[in-house]
Amino acid sequence: ETGVTQTPRHLVMGMTNKKSLKCEQHLGHNAMYWYKQSAKKPLELMFVYNFKEQTENNSVPSRFSPECPNSSHLFLHLHTLQPEDSALYLCASSQAAGEGAETQYFGPGTRLLVL
Amino acid sequence: GQNIDQPTEMTATEGAIVQINCTYQTSGFNGLFWYQQHAGEAPTFLSYNVLDGLEEKGRFSSFLSRSKGYSYLLLKELQMKDSASYLCAVRDSDYKLSFGAGTTVTVRA
Repeated sequence: ETGVTQTPRHLVMGMTNKKSLKCEQHLGHNAMYWYKQSAKKPLELMFVYNFKEQTENNSVPSRFSPECPNSSHLFLHLHTLQPEDSALYLCASSQAAGEGAETQYFGPGTRLLVL
Repeated sequence: GQNIDQPTEMTATEGAIVQINCTYQTSGFNGLFWYQQHAGEAPTFLSYNVLDGLEEKGRFSSFLSRSKGYSYLLLKELQMKDSASYLCAVRDSDYKLSFGAGTTVTVRA
């Protein structure tokens, strides 16, 4: 059973909607990540937060806005998305981000469909 | 950018052995991970290699050759529940994790 939960599991939204994805980790970790997984493509790292500070923004369009209020919670706010943004959005956490052999643990993902 | 290659699909028979290869070209190397992902579920950690050689964990083993930029995941005594996607991921010199596109393994009875 995963220590990382994500809600909602499925989301359908129009291009003018605003929605938020939520991630919570129960592992006592200090780093959290957002990834995008499209069919037949590698996972793409979007954002990294280490001790609540954003340390990585992998050239993600501004229609995706992350928020990390504390080390256990991570949000991804979505607005004016495009159909090509339809994908599985995965959250992960690790002990910390950076040096060391920290293994990342993933949540089940939110399957997003933009119409 | 980083380049991580693995086969798209593999099929094997229940009870058999399957070897999933992964080759990588990255800016530096700080470890290689294998994850298993069942359809609609979270990727789950399988193994980690940072030194050359073979790491064995029950029915699963992972091998690394840093000089060749090569790893493989060996699945023995295949079971139906092993049908899943297997992701190879490499941590580079900046400690960023880059993933391959995944290998979908189908186990047939």
